[in-house]
Amino acid sequence: AQSVTQLDSQVPVFEEAPVELRCNYSSSVSVYLFWYVQYPNQGLQLLLKYLSGSTLVESINGFEAEFNKSQTSFHLRKPSVHISDTAEYFCADPSGGSNYKLTFGKGTLLTVNP
Amino acid sequence: SAVISQKPSRDICQRGTSLTIQCQVDSQVTMMFWYRQQPGQSLTLIATANQGSEATYESGFVIDKFPISRPNLTFSTLTVSNMSPEDSSIYLCSVAGTGYEQYFGPGTRLTVT
Repeated sequence: AQSVTQLDSQVPVFEEAPVELRCNYSSSVSVYLFWYVQYPNQGLQLLLKYLSGSTLVESINGFEAEFNKSQTSFHLRKPSVHISDTAEYFCADPSGGSNYKLTFGKGTLLTVNP
Repeated sequence: SAVISQKPSRDICQRGTSLTIQCQVDSQVTMMFWYRQQPGQSLTLIATANQGSEATYESGFVIDKFPISRPNLTFSTLTVSNMSPEDSSIYLCSVAGTGYEQYFGPGTRLTVT
């Protein structure tokens, strides 16, 4: 079974600073990985996904994540954050098989301060 | 991606009662999922609901407590039965995408008093 570990429960940063949210996975088989974002009082939105191909994946709002097989990591980065990026971020992986179950990390609360 | 709506968006219920949550999708989908997100916690899968078959429940969740219906390819309901304060959570439905990802509804915030 696969699992994901998010190492930081909270990450406070100042506006326009760079940020990295860490996610490590454990799997010996082919890997698919996702980052979801949950803004306050909202549902989950798919931020970006790694399925295959290029190890660097980007989202439309400036976030990117790099799949690193040797370090079993899929860290989320943004070079300059905005206050509107304040949200909970979840790393997730499908457990595979026929039912596409998603296993979520515990989440990282990103708080961007002015 | 599919557009997913849920009703109600929030509710406050009394202990011992039941609440049925509806999930509507704007396109036909084979697999739908129900998750629970307890306060300050991550998401936990309750069950997988495929049209035409019984829902598949995860460990720790039972049909008597969380009965699920899936009458067609665009709709599903989750009932939270005989509620207690421990059932206070956000309940989310989701649908499978084309590449193992899932797309989520806005969630139903349930408070049990």
